[in-house]
Amino acid sequence: DGGITQSPKYLFRKEGQNVTLSCEQNLNHDAMYWYRQDPGQGLRLIYYSQIVNDFQKGDIAEGYSVSREKKESFPLTVTSAQKNPTAFYLCASSMTGDTEAFFGQGTRLTVV
Amino acid sequence: GENVEQHPSTLSVQEGDSAVIKCTYSDSASNYFPWYKQELGKGPQLIIDIRSNVGEKKDQRIAVTLNKTAKHFSLHITETQPEDSAVYFCAASRKTGANNLFFGTGTRLTVIP
Repeated sequence: DGGITQSPKYLFRKEGQNVTLSCEQNLNHDAMYWYRQDPGQGLRLIYYSQIVNDFQKGDIAEGYSVSREKKESFPLTVTSAQKNPTAFYLCASSMTGDTEAFFGQGTRLTVV
Repeated sequence: GENVEQHPSTLSVQEGDSAVIKCTYSDSASNYFPWYKQELGKGPQLIIDIRSNVGEKKDQRIAVTLNKTAKHFSLHITETQPEDSAVYFCAASRKTGANNLFFGTGTRLTVIP
């Protein structure tokens, strides 16, 4: 099936550890995005990439890093520098940077 | 930057009744307004969108209206069904791309059978 796959669905980490969230799409989309969702808040953009080997910071990039070595993959690393990493993380993709976005199922990260 | 406010935060309706969710935005240059539905434990799904050159758009039981002068837009769901229960998000953007979207804080809709 075509779509966006995020894994794992639930992730637990100890404070101070880096953790990488996976996002893969087989839609042949050029653009990919990472959002963070907290209770009672709207989605906030962390990073986005409009083309392979290129990415830009979103509104809340501090404490996160990304890579875009392949068109279909856009992993997000939550580093120990992120002060409040526990959240629901959503990956999205779109055909281009100017077309509608499709979201994955999300990864719920809990840092203890 | 853009600021999107969404009301109400929770909404309960009887099955078959209508539901209305309202959003206001601050940036007069915004011209793309999508609505997303998010079911529990899943990612948001685009259900309808509207651009600033249109005042209203309908898709079966769902409609969106836009008032550019007042800078507000609304989602209308008629003949609600239990499967409409979810969290709904509005967003506003100057462009279509997801890197430009500013989201509201969401409305949890519960349809009571």
